Amino acid sequence: AQKVTQAQTEISVVEKEDVTLDCVYETRDTTYYLFWYKQPPSGELVFLIRRNSFDEQNEISGRYSWNFQKSTSSFNFTITASQVVDSAVYFCALSEAEAGGSYIPTFGRGTSLIVHP
Amino acid sequence: DAGVTQSPTHLIKTRGQQVTLRCSPKSGHDTVSWYQQALGQGPQFIFQYYEEEERQRGNFPDRFSGHQFPNYSSELNVNALLLGDSALYLCASSQGTSGESTDTQYFGPGTRLTVL
Repeated sequence: AQKVTQAQTEISVVEKEDVTLDCVYETRDTTYYLFWYKQPPSGELVFLIRRNSFDEQNEISGRYSWNFQKSTSSFNFTITASQVVDSAVYFCALSEAEAGGSYIPTFGRGTSLIVHP
Repeated sequence: DAGVTQSPTHLIKTRGQQVTLRCSPKSGHDTVSWYQQALGQGPQFIFQYYEEEERQRGNFPDRFSGHQFPNYSSELNVNALLLGDSALYLCASSQGTSGESTDTQYFGPGTRLTVL
């Protein structure tokens, strides 16, 4: 069974600080996908990134970067020079192939990030 | 290019009633999934529709049912509402091909259901 753990319930930082959100996953599959989503107060989940299990390269997109390490089953997300607009709940998710070939993501409980001006 | 849309935005019902939530997928997407998100929790998978059939189902009772129309839009129906059904219901769309759905799911803004 797949499982995603986001141990940090809430993180509070001051604007311009760097912050890392942790994600640890469990799976027995060799093929799987990892995701990060952002959920602002409006409620809509905004897709940030997808990474497949065969691609361990770290990725950077502007102020966002992701560190995927299969050895520790982790997929951490770092925001550099945080801004107030980054305040949201961030979810890590894992998809394995289900019977029939579809991939259904299992979400962690989320980390609430609060960025103070 | 319109994203995923859901209606209504908010809904208030009483215990025992029935409710129908609606979702239109992102343009070009043919697969619709429904999730329930309780306060302070991550989304929980209810079911997924592809080619007008339920393809996968999560651990939810039969009170939760759905439908997908030929234009790929979808409905979620919940019968005999319980207080515990109060949650944000999220619809997500993706592109499935030949029974596989590996693409990223894009979410709508959700419907906030309150059961009194």
